[in-house]
Amino acid sequence: KNQVEQSPQSLIILEGKNCTLQCNYTVSPFSNLRWYKQDTGRGPVSLTIMTFSENTKSNGRYTATLDADTKQSSLHITASQLSDSASYICVVSPNNDMRFGAGTRLTVKP
Amino acid sequence: ETGVTQSPTHLIKTRGQQVTLRCSSQSGHNTVSWYQQALGQGPQFIFQYYREEENGRGNFPPRFSGLQFPNYSSELNVNALELDDSALYLCASSWGLVETQYFGPGTRLLVL
Repeated sequence: KNQVEQSPQSLIILEGKNCTLQCNYTVSPFSNLRWYKQDTGRGPVSLTIMTFSENTKSNGRYTATLDADTKQSSLHITASQLSDSASYICVVSPNNDMRFGAGTRLTVKP
Repeated sequence: ETGVTQSPTHLIKTRGQQVTLRCSSQSGHNTVSWYQQALGQGPQFIFQYYREEENGRGNFPPRFSGLQFPNYSSELNVNALELDDSALYLCASSWGLVETQYFGPGTRLLVL
C-alpha cells in the first residue's frame, strides 16, 4: 500500500479556473513534503518544499498547505493556464528516504 | 533547463545484461538522488548520495548500485537486468539533503 495517496487521479478544468489537489500520507517519521510538476516525458520540477513547522508555502500561482497533525497536504492552483497541464506529484520524506505519490494528472482546456 | 544532464537518453538491453547510467549534477550540488519511474506511475526512490556516501536507499534489490564521484557526478549500475527494469531513470541534484532538487531529463531504459 502506497504511503502517499493523491486525489483526484485526474482532473480536467477550464483555463482561468482554480483547482486544488490533495495529498494524504501515512509516512512516519516526517521530515518534509514536496510538490513537483512533471510534464509528459520530462523530469519533475520542484514547486514547493515544506518542513514540519510550515503550514503554507507559495510559488507564484501555486500554494501548498500542510497539516502535519492530520497528515494532509494540498496544492492550490489559481487562474490556471494551459501550461499547467501536467502531472503533480506529492513526495513525503521520512528522513533519508522519499515516498512518491502516483500523481494527479491535470488537464487545462481552453 | 535545470543544469542536470543524464546519459544516455535512451538505451535498449536484454535480460541478464548490465547497464550503467550517468548523471552530471548542477554545478555546486553535493547531493544526488536516483529514481525509477515506470510508465504512468510516479517515481520510486532508489538511493541518494551525499558527498560520495550513500545516504539513504529505497526498496530496491542490491543489483541496483551507485557511485558518486569527487566532482559529484554519479552513476547508477543495474546488474542482471529484468524485464520489469524497463522504465525512465531520473537523477536529481541538490545542495544538501533538504533542499530543492533539480531533475535531469532521464534515461529511458528498455529491457527485452
